[in-house]
Amino acid sequence: AQSVTQLDSHVSVSEGTPVLLRCNYSSSYSPSLFWYVQHPNKGLQLLLKYTSAATLVKGINGFEAEFKKSETSFHLTKPSAHMSDAAEYFCVHNAGGTSYGKLTFGQGTILTVHP
Amino acid sequence: SAVISQKPSRDICQRGTSLTIQCQVDSQVTMMFWYRQQPGQSLTLIATANQGSEATYESGFVIDKFPISRPNLTFSTLTVSNMSPEDSSIYLCSVVRGGGVSTDTQYFGPGTRLTVL
Repeated sequence: AQSVTQLDSHVSVSEGTPVLLRCNYSSSYSPSLFWYVQHPNKGLQLLLKYTSAATLVKGINGFEAEFKKSETSFHLTKPSAHMSDAAEYFCVHNAGGTSYGKLTFGQGTILTVHP
Repeated sequence: SAVISQKPSRDICQRGTSLTIQCQVDSQVTMMFWYRQQPGQSLTLIATANQGSEATYESGFVIDKFPISRPNLTFSTLTVSNMSPEDSSIYLCSVVRGGGVSTDTQYFGPGTRLTVL
């Protein structure tokens, strides 16, 4: 079965410092992976997705993620955190095929940004 | 993208009652999905709702507890029946836009925050 594991339930950074949110996946074939963000009392927003066209994926708001097959990872990064980045982030897998659209969510990582 | 609205945005209900949540999409979509997010938890898929057919439920979810309607290509409802405090969650609907491949983007509604007393 396919799954995603977010390695940190909470990450705390200072404003202006780099952000690293870790995600490992388990899949028997090339996965479709996404990062979503959920701000407090707001809906889920797509940050970026891996489509196999490039291993380094750029998303909105300065976020990037690198797909590393050898490490089965899809970590989310941002060079410089902003206060508005404080939210919960989900690494998500879509198996496709007969499971088209049935997303599997990681446990979520809450990002706190300190002034 | 897709614009999705849900009603109600939140509700507080008594044990044993039922609540119907509505999901409206700004354009026609074949597949709609319902997810649950329990307090402090991640999202879990409840069921897939296709227009013109019965909803398909994931393991652990049954039609008697979560009946779903899909009367047309822009609308769906999820009912949470005979509620208990364990049903207190955020319920979200979503749709997929794309060419039918696994990299298609899924868009989510704002969610319905349900509290059962």
